[in-house]
Amino acid sequence: GAVVSQHPSRVICKSGTSVKIECRSLDFQATTMFWYRQFPKKSLMLMATSNEGSKATYEQGVEKDKFLINHASLTLSTLTVTSAHPEDSSFYICSASHLREVDTDTQYFGPGTRLTVL
Amino acid sequence: DAKTTQPNSMESNEEEPVHLPCNHSTISGTDYIHWYRQLPSQGPEYVIHGLTSNVNNRMASLAIAEDRKSSTLILHRATLRDAAVYYCILRDVPGGNMLTFGGGTRLMVKP
Repeated sequence: GAVVSQHPSRVICKSGTSVKIECRSLDFQATTMFWYRQFPKKSLMLMATSNEGSKATYEQGVEKDKFLINHASLTLSTLTVTSAHPEDSSFYICSASHLREVDTDTQYFGPGTRLTVL
Repeated sequence: DAKTTQPNSMESNEEEPVHLPCNHSTISGTDYIHWYRQLPSQGPEYVIHGLTSNVNNRMASLAIAEDRKSSTLILHRATLRDAAVYYCILRDVPGGNMLTFGGGTRLMVKP
């Protein structure tokens, strides 16, 4: 099956610092990658949609200058949380759509990155 | 995407079948019915999807009502590892790739 990895799985940082999270599709090429955020006991909320070689599309209410997304290749997308604050502490999850499965639109999710900002 | 309605939580006993319902009365003719589940502290994983006919795979079965206004995810023999939040999501293909997650159903499995 298609595998998506995230790194790091867990990160603790000080307020004001920046944190980069990597999302990789390991055994397939992804047309599109997505970034979600999930607060405790809540559902996933889409933050942005990322296509290789183009600017990410951010959901309403998500600051593009704070959550920088770079999609350098068909297998790698990065999310950088800039000047992190405690309210940015959350579970960040990426997903990817398989290039050859556009008809069924199945998404493959990474294991998530738990960010704690002190 | 059309909206889905699921019970907040359900309980099941281990080794027994589980039927997880989903209502989607405003489903359109091109909407696929997708199910994902999320185990604690993990990313969601794909379970199954269908359009009109019932579907079976190694994880579960999907029963779709004839009018498509509801569907049921069936776990034939629940195990403790099936305890998760199950999300029923409608996807209008090729209406875009994003998934809109609702509240889902938290399945608790008792030994």
